[in-house]
Amino acid sequence: DAGITQSPRHKVTETGTPVTLRCHQTENHRYMYWYRQDPGHGLRLIHYSYGVKDTDKGEVSDGYSVSRSKTEDFLLTLESATSSQTSVYFCAISEGSTNEKLFFGSGTQLSVL
Amino acid sequence: GNSVTQMEGPVTLSEEAFLTINCTYTATGYPSLFWYVQYPGEGLQLLLKATKADDKGSNKGFEATYRKETTSFHLEKGSVQVSDSAVYFCALSDLNTGNQFYFGTGTSLTVIP
Repeated sequence: DAGITQSPRHKVTETGTPVTLRCHQTENHRYMYWYRQDPGHGLRLIHYSYGVKDTDKGEVSDGYSVSRSKTEDFLLTLESATSSQTSVYFCAISEGSTNEKLFFGSGTQLSVL
Repeated sequence: GNSVTQMEGPVTLSEEAFLTINCTYTATGYPSLFWYVQYPGEGLQLLLKATKADDKGSNKGFEATYRKETTSFHLEKGSVQVSDSAVYFCALSDLNTGNQFYFGTGTSLTVIP
């Protein structure tokens, strides 16, 4: 199994508070992704990174920011959490180019009350 | 743009029944196609992939053929087992869009003894 750790695994927070989710990999893969999973929508890309300090927006990036200061860590921040951001968040990694396979973390269940 | 449309669920089958989950795609370039599986409480894991037209991906008795003429990648299994109960996601990746992956909404499969 790919070495991907997401933290926390579960979080309950209040509307308006900042929240940071962490993804840590031990595979030295170049690409890292944040997805959210919601019923009826499948997985939707929030942001992704193609290297240290290199990030780009995905399909549903509004209200989210990311940072990647080291190859192994990719942080997702909700600056001011809203109830619509209640979801399951998955981090994924990929070597890219010659190997397009995605490896997923176990997910973070976030509830915004 | 790129998108994936897959068969709505949920699907309920008896053990040893034949399974088909339909998937069609829209892509601007020459994507690779994937099926991922998600077991309860876990992240997604790769089930099979195909990287070019007419390729057949196969794993654990599941098969899917990359059909460029019909832009399809339907998942099939001849005889399902209770342990196949999971959510199945069709996906495509396009190296021309920064190695992004696009997922369908997922199809829930329940196999009953």
